[in-house]
Amino acid sequence: DQQVKQNSPSLSVQEGRISILNCDYTNSMFDYFLWYKKYPAEGPTFLISISSIKDKNEDGRFTVFLNKSAKHLSLHIVPSQPGDSAVYFCAARGNNDMRFGAGTRLTVKP
Amino acid sequence: GAGVSQTPSNKVTEKGKYVELRCDPISGHTALYWYRQSLGQGPEFLIYFQGTGAADDSGLPNDRFFAVRPEGSVSTLKIQRTERGDSAVYLCASGGSGKGGELFFGEGSRLTVL
Repeated sequence: DQQVKQNSPSLSVQEGRISILNCDYTNSMFDYFLWYKKYPAEGPTFLISISSIKDKNEDGRFTVFLNKSAKHLSLHIVPSQPGDSAVYFCAARGNNDMRFGAGTRLTVKP
Repeated sequence: GAGVSQTPSNKVTEKGKYVELRCDPISGHTALYWYRQSLGQGPEFLIYFQGTGAADDSGLPNDRFFAVRPEGSVSTLKIQRTERGDSAVYLCASGGSGKGGELFFGEGSRLTVL
């Protein structure tokens, strides 16, 4: 069952503009949310996270927003850079496991 | 090295054969996860260890899949009677015991079943 969904398989933005990646979840027991970035032939690497008690967490160019009532989170990257081009996975953590979305491939054009 | 190490990086086998995939987590990490990733999909949860015990194995697809972590460090994922549908990248990740911590992933073992 798809407890974590990323409905956009790909996103293309111009360098310097904002990238917004979206994620929805269904399990209200999730209490910690993370974004991972993945380059080809590498494992996913942690990017940013947010606890369910917060609605925003910012780290440099990256901000994650959480809307618990809508079971929705988003990752904002501003300004976007060509080096940000990768696949981004949303993940949600419950008691024992961490569930991932299918990923969104971000392409930032110079 | 300091990261999660997985071997082999690539494994090609024939249908029906037995396969073992190894994961060496970051030293001191008590949590260890196995995921499977097929093309165009996100990592699919298989099993989670806290120490030596499998705290949650609900993601293992069937009884051909088994994983062990006998000393609470290295883990081995074992697949019996492999099928073509088992072809995927198998990812291992480790983390601290705290609930909120992120996971650190290895580069994965790409399994191809012919």
